[in-house]
Formats: sequence, C-alpha cells, structure tokens
Amino acid sequence: AQSVAQPEDQVNVAEGNPLTVKCTYSVSGNPYLFWYVQYPNRGLQFLLKYITGDNLVKGSYGFEAEFNKSQTSFHLKKPSALVSDSALYFCAVRDNGDTGGFKTIFGAGTRLFVKA
Amino acid sequence: GAVVSQHPSRVICKSGTSVKIECRSLDFQATTMFWYRQFPKQSLMLMATSNEGSKATYEQGVEKDKFLINHASLTLSTLTVTSAHPEDSSFYICSASGRAPGYTFGSGTRLTVV
Repeated sequence: AQSVAQPEDQVNVAEGNPLTVKCTYSVSGNPYLFWYVQYPNRGLQFLLKYITGDNLVKGSYGFEAEFNKSQTSFHLKKPSALVSDSALYFCAVRDNGDTGGFKTIFGAGTRLFVKA
Repeated sequence: GAVVSQHPSRVICKSGTSVKIECRSLDFQATTMFWYRQFPKQSLMLMATSNEGSKATYEQGVEKDKFLINHASLTLSTLTVTSAHPEDSSFYICSASGRAPGYTFGSGTRLTVV
C-alpha cells in the first residue's frame, strides 16, 4: 500500500545551522515526490518536486531534497537555516494506484522551529 | 508574482445544502488547477486535478458526484460540495499552475456544515 511518513513531528535547529526534515515513502511504482510548506501568515506554498532525472532537486528559498531510491527517502535539506524558515512542512508522494487511478498521499507534517 | 484568489475564505452552511468555492488566477493563465482538503490533524489530501476545458481527474477515494469541479476558463475553477454534511467540514485549498514552474496556492476556504 502507498504511504508516506514524516517521522518527526517537530524539528528544532539554530539559525545558521543546516536543517533536515525527513520523509520516507512506500509506493508500488516510480514515485513522484513533493515538498510543500505552510507558513502561518502566507498559506501553503510549493517548494520542489522530483519526477525523474537528477536525484538532487533544488527548490525555492534555498531548499533542496535528495531522492534516495534504495532508502525510499526524500529528505528536505537546507545548508543554513533562517528564522523565517519556521513553518509546517509537508512531504507528498504520488503513485499510480493499483486500480489504475492516481493517488497522492501527504505526510502528517513536520513543524520546523528555527531559533535565533 | 503569480497570485491565486480563493473565495470565500469562510462559509457556514446547513446540512443538505450545496456550497461553491471559487479559485481564480489573477495574473496568469492557469492551465491546471488542483483542489486539496486539509483535515483537522493537519494532513493534506489532493482531491482532484483539473485542466481547462476538460473533466477533472479525481484521486482514488474522492467522490466525484459529491465534489463537483469545473474549470471552464484559464483563470477560474470551482469546487462545489453537494449535499454537504458535517463530515465535509474541512479546510479546502486550491492551487494553480501555468507556464511557469511551480504551483501557486489560494489562501483556503474553511467550510463548516451545521
């Protein structure tokens, strides 16, 4: 069955330090993988996606994510965190369902706190 | 930058009635629009994808007769929740994509069915 997991409810990091928000998935075929961010005062925004090609995907606001097929992971990373990165982050995976229809599953979200 | 306007931001309706939510791209042509539902525990669900002028593609498990989606123009898509019930109460979000990469999201609609 298709699934996506964000194992950490919350991640705390100091400003200037690298950050990682974890995501693992399970699909039957080749996955399409996405990261979204929900800021308190700006609503939901798309960060990046992996469809095919290079495993390292670069997205908005300096974020990047690495597709690791062997570990079925798509962790979100940023080399140097900013206080303004504090938000709720969602990982999503899209797969061809067993019955032929598409299904997109979102993780429960990880809240990132960046301290000054 | 690209802007998507979603209206209304909040709506309360009686059980059994229908509610229409609009999603407009204000400064670009949205060839594809997406509708999501965000549950109280914060997980999101993609409900459907609509391309201008064609029928929406619904994700598995989403009732197409319950959630009617129309994408009649390159700047407007509507989601109608038909015969709403309290379990349909949720936060509905649309997003749109055009020629530029990425997706622009609306600010969401909080639906409460009483």
